[in-house]
Amino acid sequence: AIQLTQSPSSLSASVGDRVTITCRASQGISSTLAWYQHKPGKAPKLLIYDASSLASGVPSRFSGSGSGTGFTLTISSLQPEDSATYYCQHFYSYPITFGQGTRLEIK
Amino acid sequence: QVQLVQSGAEVRKPGASVKVSCKASGYTFTNYYMHWVRQAPGQGLEWMGLIILSDGSISYAQKFQDRVTMTRDTSTSTVYMELISLRSDDTAVYFCARARIPDMGYDAFGIWGQGTMVTVSS
Repeated sequence: AIQLTQSPSSLSASVGDRVTITCRASQGISSTLAWYQHKPGKAPKLLIYDASSLASGVPSRFSGSGSGTGFTLTISSLQPEDSATYYCQHFYSYPITFGQGTRLEIK
Repeated sequence: QVQLVQSGAEVRKPGASVKVSCKASGYTFTNYYMHWVRQAPGQGLEWMGLIILSDGSISYAQKFQDRVTMTRDTSTSTVYMELISLRSDDTAVYFCARARIPDMGYDAFGIWGQGTMVTVSS
């Protein structure tokens, strides 16, 4: 199975900061990567698909980049409502796997 | 609007089974693949498998291969996930999630159900 490793596992940042989360795949997965935002008690929300395409209704401060084995999710100007856990996910092959998550706290 | 509505919370004893439902609305049911994902307390997201809604074909994660069954009822646009021989570490929130694009098995999950809490405890 393809393993996804996210870094950092957690971070704390201030409103207005630029935040970057990294996801590394154990083998090349082209651009078959998605990013999700997950808040407690809610369903995960798709932010980015195909590594860099913004999902419908997602604010433009979110962006994704990368291909092959290295990917990043960037929040250009952090907002209070961005406090959540973020997961990367590949859909290159089965089994689909997720990264271990990055918990983002707002200072 | 497109939505997935899951059945309510369940409590089971170890060794029992549970069947969670996921009712779809707002789109053509059989045009998509449906996945199941779970999250144990304090843990990350874990993919369990998928079912192709047009013909019922399935692909399960190896970890669940011997204990999970995914089915669908096209007459009610409902997908089911049954897990047998429950253990305490099966305590988790279970989500159904629909692929973003029709007839695409390798795709991000664009629509999610609200989640169903399954508690396994003696």
